[in-house]
Amino acid sequence: QQKVQQSPESLTVSEGAMASLNCTFSDGTSNNFRWYRQHSAKGLEVLVSIFSDGEKEEGRFTAHLNRANLHVSLHIREPQPSDSAVYLCAVSNYNQGKLIFGQGTKLSIKP
Amino acid sequence: DPKIIQKPKYLVAVTGSEKILICEQYLGHNAMYWYRQSAKKPLEFMFSYSYQKLMDNQTASSRFQPQSSKKNHLDLQITALKPDDSATYFCASSQSRTGDERLFFGHGTKLSVL
Repeated sequence: QQKVQQSPESLTVSEGAMASLNCTFSDGTSNNFRWYRQHSAKGLEVLVSIFSDGEKEEGRFTAHLNRANLHVSLHIREPQPSDSAVYLCAVSNYNQGKLIFGQGTKLSIKP
Repeated sequence: DPKIIQKPKYLVAVTGSEKILICEQYLGHNAMYWYRQSAKKPLEFMFSYSYQKLMDNQTASSRFQPQSSKKNHLDLQITALKPDDSATYFCASSQSRTGDERLFFGHGTKLSVL
């Protein structure tokens, strides 16, 4: 049974400084990793998807995947107060269409 | 302009009653899902449907029954409601059920069972 753990539980970063979030997973055969953002008013928004080891950038959001270390991270460049939200890591296997989510990291960006 | 519409946004029910949560998607997707987010727990997969057929069910209780009357509808009927069923229920959809398709989520229905 896949387990997904995120750290830290909460993070406060100054506006403009890099924000880095971590996610570990237990099943090394997983091949589909996504980061979502959850605003209370806007629901869930997918930020970046990554399927192979290395880096994937989507605008200010960059995901790094290292499957040997069972680790995927999200880096947010030049965060703004509007980026304050809960960030969710989600893992799945190809052809399953079922995401296993971590418990989230609550990110606060200080002006 | 939301493309996945969930109704109602908020729902209060009494223990033992039955409720139906509505979901419609206007993305032309073929796969639809239900997820649940309880307090202090991660988002949890419940069901997946593909072309109106149930593909995966991770819900132990038969009190939760998805219903797909049209390709772009996937409602969730919950019977004999319990306080533990209190959660936000999210509907999602994707073009197909393969893992590399992005899931798009609705804004959720927050259910409170008293």
